[in-house]
Amino acid sequence: NAGVTQTPKFQVLKTGQSMTLQCAQDMNHNSMYWYRQDPGMGLRLIYYSASEGTTDKGEVPNGYNVSRLNKREFSLRLESAAPSQTSVYFCASSDRGQEKLFFGSGTQLSVL
Amino acid sequence: AQSVTQLGSHVSVSEGALVLLRCNYSSSVPPYLFWYVQYPNQGLQLLLKYTTGATLVKGINGFEAEFKKSETSFHLTKPSAHMSDAAEYFCAVFTGGGNKLTFGTGTQLKVEL
Repeated sequence: NAGVTQTPKFQVLKTGQSMTLQCAQDMNHNSMYWYRQDPGMGLRLIYYSASEGTTDKGEVPNGYNVSRLNKREFSLRLESAAPSQTSVYFCASSDRGQEKLFFGSGTQLSVL
Repeated sequence: AQSVTQLGSHVSVSEGALVLLRCNYSSSVPPYLFWYVQYPNQGLQLLLKYTTGATLVKGINGFEAEFKKSETSFHLTKPSAHMSDAAEYFCAVFTGGGNKLTFGTGTQLKVEL
């Protein structure tokens, strides 16, 4: 059972470059989430998708876009990366809202 | 608005000693409360949760937490620490509206021989 799979695990970008973080879950969950984790700030919600075909902004959506490609996949795109987006990004999924989240192992992103 | 405060960003205990990680919350409605654990280079995993009912909640790996409404607290405890407990622990609160699960800033637990 793979659970929640994120790719890539590590990425270094230059300011202004774009990239897409991929996330896939094999648990048939309806809801999927993108968080960023910064030292001393815990996890903050970027975007979420309550069900296939819907997406909504979270606490810190600026500079990001998302696509819920199908029930399994939820991608996060940085159109023009900035140093402030240096962070660890986590994808999560759930079949019960946010009562129990299953997390991927994260993507460590550095923007120079 | 809801919020979570974790007292102590770093806690160090000896192996075999009591683990106590503190979490206080604020919420205008009855909350759901969670503890998540993050081992190095891994994602978070649910340790335990309180939704309704019994206020003492038992989780995995011998951890438990008690919901105390009068103190707005949900502290995490384990009677005897093990080296494998070294990780970062996050408290979180959810009040059911707006899909907003709020995480605390985390407590790094170090277990020493």
